[in-house]
Amino acid sequence: DIQMTQSPASLSASLGETVTIECLASEDIYSNLAWYQQKPGKSPQLLIYYANSLNDGVPSRFSGSGSGTQYSLKINSLQSEDVSIYFCQQNYDSPRTFGGGTKLELK
Amino acid sequence: QVKLLQSGAALVKPGASVKMSCKASGYTFTDYWVSWVKQSHGKSLEWIGEIYPNSGATNFNEKFKGKATLTVDKSTSTAYMELSRLTSEDSAIYYCTRWTEVLDYWGQGVMVTVSS
Repeated sequence: DIQMTQSPASLSASLGETVTIECLASEDIYSNLAWYQQKPGKSPQLLIYYANSLNDGVPSRFSGSGSGTQYSLKINSLQSEDVSIYFCQQNYDSPRTFGGGTKLELK
Repeated sequence: QVKLLQSGAALVKPGASVKMSCKASGYTFTDYWVSWVKQSHGKSLEWIGEIYPNSGATNFNEKFKGKATLTVDKSTSTAYMELSRLTSEDSAIYYCTRWTEVLDYWGQGVMVTVSS
């Protein structure tokens, strides 16, 4: 199975700050990488697919980048509604595997 | 709009089975794979497997073979997952999702608690 290592596990940032979450795959996943946002008490929601394509309705302050084994999610100008757990997931090979999640809180 | 409506929470005894449902609406049910995802301890996510409603074809994470059974009822656009021989390790939230090369829509989740 492809292992997805996400960092950091938790993150505290201030409103308006820029934050970056990293995801490292154990092998090349050829940009088949998605990011999901899970708000407290809710289901995960798709944010970004194919490493850098924004899902419909997702604010432009979210962006994804990366290739090969290294990927990142960047949130510009942090808003209060961005408090969530963020997960990466590889869709290159079965079983589809997730990172361990990053819990983002406000400082 | 696309919706996946899952059945309610379940409290089940160790060794028993539980069957949950996922009713799809807002799209052609038979055109998309339905995947199931387990969320344990409020954080980590695991992909269980998927079913293609048009044919009934399934793919599973090896870890969940023998644990999960996936079926569909095309007449009601409903997918089902049955978990058998439940232990405390199966206590989790289970989501159904639509697969379009990513998991683009998610149900609200079913909380399963295994306890005597």
